[in-house]
Amino acid sequence: GENVEQHPSTLSVQEGDSAVIKCTYSDSASNYFPWYKQELGKRPQLIIDIRSNVGEKKDQRIAVTLNKTAKHFSLHITETQPEDSAVYFCAASIIWVYTNAGKSTFGDGTTLTVKP
Amino acid sequence: DTEVTQTPKHLVMGMTNKKSLKCEQHMGHRAMYWYKQKAKKPPELMFVYSYEKLSINESVPSRFSPECPNSSLLNLHLHALQPEDSALYLCASSQRFSGLVNTEAFFGQGTRLTVV
Repeated sequence: GENVEQHPSTLSVQEGDSAVIKCTYSDSASNYFPWYKQELGKRPQLIIDIRSNVGEKKDQRIAVTLNKTAKHFSLHITETQPEDSAVYFCAASIIWVYTNAGKSTFGDGTTLTVKP
Repeated sequence: DTEVTQTPKHLVMGMTNKKSLKCEQHMGHRAMYWYKQKAKKPPELMFVYSYEKLSINESVPSRFSPECPNSSLLNLHLHALQPEDSALYLCASSQRFSGLVNTEAFFGQGTRLTVV
């Protein structure tokens, strides 16, 4: 099955600095890579996603890059703010054709702390 | 309406009790999921329903029994649980997987379950 590794497990940055979180995956059939932000006691919420036919995507201060050959993808947050502090999960998703259903495998998460 | 609603928000149950968790969405999504999340861990997939049919069962113990009565509702019936089953149970939904493309999963707020 799919295996997703996420690094680092914790990341502390100063407000205004950039933060980078990296994930690798094992199954070349994975075709969708979402990133979720989860604040303490709350639900995971999608912040950005990328499909396997795209190399880079940006949304204001957040960007994601994908290298299919190397099977890794990264989240970049620029100009970090204290409200960016949360746990961030990457995921790799694959379709199981015989069921027409999909499965997401999550990384272990990165706890980001942005110090004012 | 872009919400996935879960009830109850909190549940304390004894090991001999029978209870049910409920999930509802009105976004027309035809794929619905149950995840289990332990503290400081990623969501762990339990079940996937596609068009109200169980598509994926991730080897979940039979004391957890899912049910999808219609396209908007998803239940998780609980019976004879163990203390180690205490966790946050998250429901999610997404568009039907088509063209071998995954789509964003919307998560509910979760039910925090404590088994005593």
